[in-house]
Amino acid sequence: EVQLVESGGGLVQPGRSLRLSCAASGFTFDDYAMHWVRQTPGKGLEWVSGINWNSDTIGYADSVKGRFTISRDNAKNSLYLQMNSLRAEDTALYYCAKALGSALDYWGQGTLVTVSS
Amino acid sequence: EIVLTQSPATLSLSPGERATLSCRASQSVYSYLAWYQQKAGQAPRLLIYDASNRATGIPARFSGSGSGTDFTLTISSLEPEDFAVYYCQQRSKWPYFGGGTKVEIK
Repeated sequence: EVQLVESGGGLVQPGRSLRLSCAASGFTFDDYAMHWVRQTPGKGLEWVSGINWNSDTIGYADSVKGRFTISRDNAKNSLYLQMNSLRAEDTALYYCAKALGSALDYWGQGTLVTVSS
Repeated sequence: EIVLTQSPATLSLSPGERATLSCRASQSVYSYLAWYQQKAGQAPRLLIYDASNRATGIPARFSGSGSGTDFTLTISSLEPEDFAVYYCQQRSKWPYFGGGTKVEIK
């Protein structure tokens, strides 16, 4: 059974940093690209960042470029999102998702990030 | 960036009725279009990928069609558990989502 479990969310002050993790199991992690997608409470889905299987192709939404860094450790079956210079508008539920070609076929339950003073 | 526009924003229907949801892309996404269902308090669930392929375990009442810029998700006969928000997603290079259509009980 595919499982994606996010962790690392919490309350953080503007300008500070947070590192999210996603622990993957139930599939061959290093065969697939992975993504972070966020959702503001009551709003729609926003793609944040993606990384291919061997980390040589990485992308970011314009809204986070230069502040967030995605990475993965295939030996640990884990995906990460380092978030620096956090802003109030980064407040959201952050999902980790597994890629299936052009779609995202499995999602975690999300970890909540709240940026507030 | 390719923009996806979903319509209508809200669809009010009764159980047993047919639901037709639209997703229009600002430029061609070929067949790289997926549909997701999201219920309150839950993560999105993949329904359809590559425009018309049902994901694993998705009931046959869900079907997708279209290519290029115009796509449709059809639910042939609404079950009580189908009332939810539906998103389309394209991946020209990276995934981008439409704004969603809420299917609510009339």
